[in-house]
Amino acid sequence: AQSVAQPEDQVNVAEGNPLTVKCTYSVSGNPYLFWYVQYPNRGLQFLLKYITGDNLVKGSYGFEAEFNKSQTSFHLKKPSALVSDSALYFCAVRDDSSASKIIFGSGTRLSIRP
Amino acid sequence: NAGVTQTPKFQVLKTGQSMTLQCAQDMNHNSMYWYRQDPGMGLRLIYYSASEGTTDKGEVPNGYNVSRLNKREFSLRLESAAPSQTSVYFCASSISSITTEAFFGQGTRLTVV
Repeated sequence: AQSVAQPEDQVNVAEGNPLTVKCTYSVSGNPYLFWYVQYPNRGLQFLLKYITGDNLVKGSYGFEAEFNKSQTSFHLKKPSALVSDSALYFCAVRDDSSASKIIFGSGTRLSIRP
Repeated sequence: NAGVTQTPKFQVLKTGQSMTLQCAQDMNHNSMYWYRQDPGMGLRLIYYSASEGTTDKGEVPNGYNVSRLNKREFSLRLESAAPSQTSVYFCASSISSITTEAFFGQGTRLTVV
């Protein structure tokens, strides 16, 4: 069965500093990994995905994520945080043993202080 | 484009009452999903429909039923609401390809008293 873990409930970063939001996964087939962001009282918005190929994928708003197969991780990163990046971030996974199911992690609240 | 539309946006139910949450998408997507979001629990999959005419249980299906009415619409029914079903419910849809992301509605905030 698929599963996703986000080990940090909250990440606090000063504006201008780099940020990392962690995600690890478990699947029985090949993983297809996604990051979403949720602003207050809104639905989730897609940020980026890893399907195959280059382990570093780039997405919206300057975010990127690094896929590491040996560590089964897919950490979200940004070189320089903005106050407007403050939101709830979710990692999600699909795998080819159950292609239609999309399983989400518990979410990480990112707080960027000025 | 409207994308994924959920109705209602807010609802208060008494314990034991029933209701149906509606979801419609206009993106011609094959797959549709219902999730619930609770603090500290993230999004948990209730039911999903890989394509029109099929539905499958997700992680937390107990107390819910679904209907894939047609390709556009996927409804979630609570037959006898319980306080434990107080949550924010999200509908999502995606193209059936495994490599594609899901698109989400704005959510329904349900309170069961």
